[in-house]
Amino acid sequence: SAVISQKPSRDICQRGTSLTIQCQVDSQVTMMFWYRQQPGQSLTLIATANQGSEATYESGFVIDKFPISRPNLTFSTLTVSNMSPEDSSIYLCSVERGLGNTIYFGEGSWLTVV
Amino acid sequence: QKEVEQNSGPLSVPEGAIASLNCTYSDRGSQSFFWYRQYSGKSPELIMFIYSNGDKEDGRFTAQLNKASQYVSLLIRDSQPSDSATYLCAVSLNTGNQFYFGTGTSLTVIP
Repeated sequence: SAVISQKPSRDICQRGTSLTIQCQVDSQVTMMFWYRQQPGQSLTLIATANQGSEATYESGFVIDKFPISRPNLTFSTLTVSNMSPEDSSIYLCSVERGLGNTIYFGEGSWLTVV
Repeated sequence: QKEVEQNSGPLSVPEGAIASLNCTYSDRGSQSFFWYRQYSGKSPELIMFIYSNGDKEDGRFTAQLNKASQYVSLLIRDSQPSDSATYLCAVSLNTGNQFYFGTGTSLTVIP
């Protein structure tokens, strides 16, 4: 498995502001993934972050709204910019590791935009 | 469009019974199949994965895969109230490929 720490675990944010979520992994990984889980929905991949290159965004997600940093092999950040109530969601950092290249998730960051 | 379908439930079973959770997927190229459990207010945690047709057992959990019919299921034997959670099915094409998640099945085990 993997130990994946996320901060903040929970926050209430004002409309129009931005928030940066941090993700720290207990060992080096090539790829880190950022998912969103909106209330009552399943997980949707936002982007894949590789160290030393630009993040790869999935359809419907853009860098201006969700800028990502990946400064080294154990750390990544996701910023949710210019937030609106529709951005209220759980944001999950994850890594691929181990037998079967299984995805493991961090504890998640619960964001509520008011 | 790669789709993973699950019955959203809720599924209720009495304590000690077998809970059966089902998942179908649309992409015949899918190679890896995963079951995650998500408690309310928590992030998903891996239960088990399966690659080959047939059954794979791990404690009280058995995953069943049928690639010809494009379905994967999870059986929970001797269900306990602590098994009450949402169960997410996920598939991927191969290493490094995106995981596609179902919407999850809510399970309640009644004491």
